[in-house]
Amino acid sequence: LAKTTQPISMDSYEGQEVNITCSHNNIATNDYITWYQQFPSQGPRFIIQGYKTKVTNEVASLFIPADRKSSTLSLPRVSLSDTAVYYCLVVGNNAGNMLTFGGGTRLMVKP
Amino acid sequence: GAVVSQHPSWVICKSGTSVKIECRSLDFQATTMFWYRQFPKQSLMLMATSNEGSKATYEQGVEKDKFLINHASLTLSTLTVTSAHPEDSSFYICSACPPLAGYNEQFFGPGTRLTVL
Repeated sequence: LAKTTQPISMDSYEGQEVNITCSHNNIATNDYITWYQQFPSQGPRFIIQGYKTKVTNEVASLFIPADRKSSTLSLPRVSLSDTAVYYCLVVGNNAGNMLTFGGGTRLMVKP
Repeated sequence: GAVVSQHPSWVICKSGTSVKIECRSLDFQATTMFWYRQFPKQSLMLMATSNEGSKATYEQGVEKDKFLINHASLTLSTLTVTSAHPEDSSFYICSACPPLAGYNEQFFGPGTRLTVL
């Protein structure tokens, strides 16, 4: 399983764009990059997943360079409610694959 | 979207007792469910993979006789913490993946906070 490395914590202010970078040097050809969000005392929530280039949904964008050894989660115009822990995972593209969580990035959004 | 529930959401028990936690997939069938444990300020740690109709697969270091897993149906998995001790106090989370998911998107339950006195 590919190991991921993320910053332990980040601070931001309301309305700013936040970019969280994750490195995954040993990503395999069939691995997808997936990001989850977790609030205190809740289960993680899926944010976005991608394989290469750029993926965008209603809450975030995911940028993946050609070598796929890193990825960047971009949260546009964060609000206080985006304060959470964000986990980057690399996962094989088969339903039922187990997830291995790294340390995650604790994002604190300040007013 | 797919919903996974857990019951109870929190439980307090005395040392030496057993506690059962249920994980249900409400609107899909899951042949595989996963159980995680999370200590304060730490990441999720996979404990075991629960397989419907067969024995669970435990991660290294997780005692299978202490953490009993039963995947009774395609929508229910249970985790029983036997002879609980204070060091078992933790946040237990389950997850499941809809079988037809195009990606490996797992849905997590809300978690169960176990406190052993």
